[in-house]
Amino acid sequence: EAEVAQSPRYKITEKSQAVAFWCDPISGHATLYWYRQILGQGPELLVQFQDESVVDDSQLPKDRFSAERLKGVDSTLKIQPAELGDSAMYLCASSLDMNTEAFFGQGTRLTVV
Amino acid sequence: AQKITQTQPGMFVQEKEAVTLDCTYDTSDQSYGLFWYKQPSSGEMIFLIYQGSYDEQNATEGRYSLNFQKARKSANLVISASQLGDSAMYFCAMREGGSNSGYALNFGKGTSLLVTP
Repeated sequence: EAEVAQSPRYKITEKSQAVAFWCDPISGHATLYWYRQILGQGPELLVQFQDESVVDDSQLPKDRFSAERLKGVDSTLKIQPAELGDSAMYLCASSLDMNTEAFFGQGTRLTVV
Repeated sequence: AQKITQTQPGMFVQEKEAVTLDCTYDTSDQSYGLFWYKQPSSGEMIFLIYQGSYDEQNATEGRYSLNFQKARKSANLVISASQLGDSAMYFCAMREGGSNSGYALNFGKGTSLLVTP
C-alpha cells in the first residue's frame, strides 16, 4: 500500500543547530503539506505545496524555517537555527489535489536540547 | 478564532460499546469538508471518514459514522462496537472553500479515547 515516507523518525539536536526533515509523498499526489504538532495539540499547518509551488506559508516562521519541493515530488523542511520551542512532531501529508483527503506520514519527532 | 472545537479532552468506553466524539466547527463558507483522523501512540495520522457540506446523507465507513448536523455546525464521530485497538487520539478537521480552494486542513485539539476491556 502506498504511503508517505518521512525521515528521520526521531531527531535530537542542540539549540542553534540546523536540522532538516525529508518527505516523499504518495506517487502522483500533487499537494504536499508540512504540519507541526506540539504535544497535546492538533497539527498546525506550516506550509502547503501544489506541485513545486507554495500555496500557503503564512504560518511558517520564515526567519528560521524554510521548505522546498524543487521537482514537485519530495520535499525538505529545514530549521536554522533550532530553538527549544521547536520541539514537536513534524508531520508531512499528501493528497491527490487540494480537495481530497490528506494521507500522513509517520512524522519526525524533534527534540531540541 | 478556533475553527474546530472538540470539547472532550478524554473519553472512556467499554469494549463493544458505541461512543460519540463531539466536534463543532465555525465557517461562513457554504462549501467545506469535514474529516476525522485517528492518531495512535505511534504518531501517524490515519484518515477515517469524510463529509462534504453538500452531502445529504451522513458518511459511513465500516464501524465509523459521522453524525452531520449542518444547522448546528456539528460533525460528531460515532464509533460502533469499540475495540481495544480504537484507543487513540481522534482529531476533527475542516477544509473550507470550494473545489481546489487551496485551503489546508484546520484541526481541532483532539479527544483521547480509551477503550477498556
